[in-house]
Amino acid sequence: GAVVSQHPSRVICKSGTSVKIECRSLDFQATTMFWYRQFPKQSLMLMATSNEGSKATYEQGVEKDKFLINHASLTLSTLTVTSAHPEDSSFYICSALAGRETQYFGPGTRLLVL
Amino acid sequence: GENVGLHLPTLSVQEGDNSIINCAYSNSASDYFIWYKQESGKGPQFIIDIRSNMDKRQGQRVTVLLNKTVKHLSLQIAATQPGDSAVYFCAEKAPVGGGYNKLIFGAGTRLAVHP
Repeated sequence: GAVVSQHPSRVICKSGTSVKIECRSLDFQATTMFWYRQFPKQSLMLMATSNEGSKATYEQGVEKDKFLINHASLTLSTLTVTSAHPEDSSFYICSALAGRETQYFGPGTRLLVL
Repeated sequence: GENVGLHLPTLSVQEGDNSIINCAYSNSASDYFIWYKQESGKGPQFIIDIRSNMDKRQGQRVTVLLNKTVKHLSLQIAATQPGDSAVYFCAEKAPVGGGYNKLIFGAGTRLAVHP
């Protein structure tokens, strides 16, 4: 139980284009999902909290117009990196809240912007 | 529990030995703690959790110890196997107003298991 998927697993795009990453909870419903970013050999940095049916809550320093989050259903949240640039290249990981507190993570999406 | 640095501390153990991975957390008000295992190129995998009203919890081959006095958390892995090689992160959850549950991750420890 508590399986979270992400798609795509890898994406390469040109600078200036937008990229959408999907996060799905496969066997449970999640009113809350989270988006993280991870640089090599570093820990996870929370970008935003995605709440079903309402606006996402962004962490300090994360541009909401740059990283668009939509949580349209109880099993799907999407993160769109708009006008991507090379510095946006990173490993993006989502998690879904199962129950009150436990977060289960997706496999991650590696984004490379050329 | 700050996200720091480019160098992960590494714990090297022999296969079959017990491993102890330590974590210092930052917020004395944190009431829930989780250990995650992350293999290269993958997302973190839930290992075990513990609430602040407990000081020990056991799973299959793993034990988590919580010392609230010194804000210290440890993960013990019995009979460590090569498949246990990964980066291990502790995470804490502090009571936060507004009804959502944000986790703060530690810097991580790399466990290297040698045959």
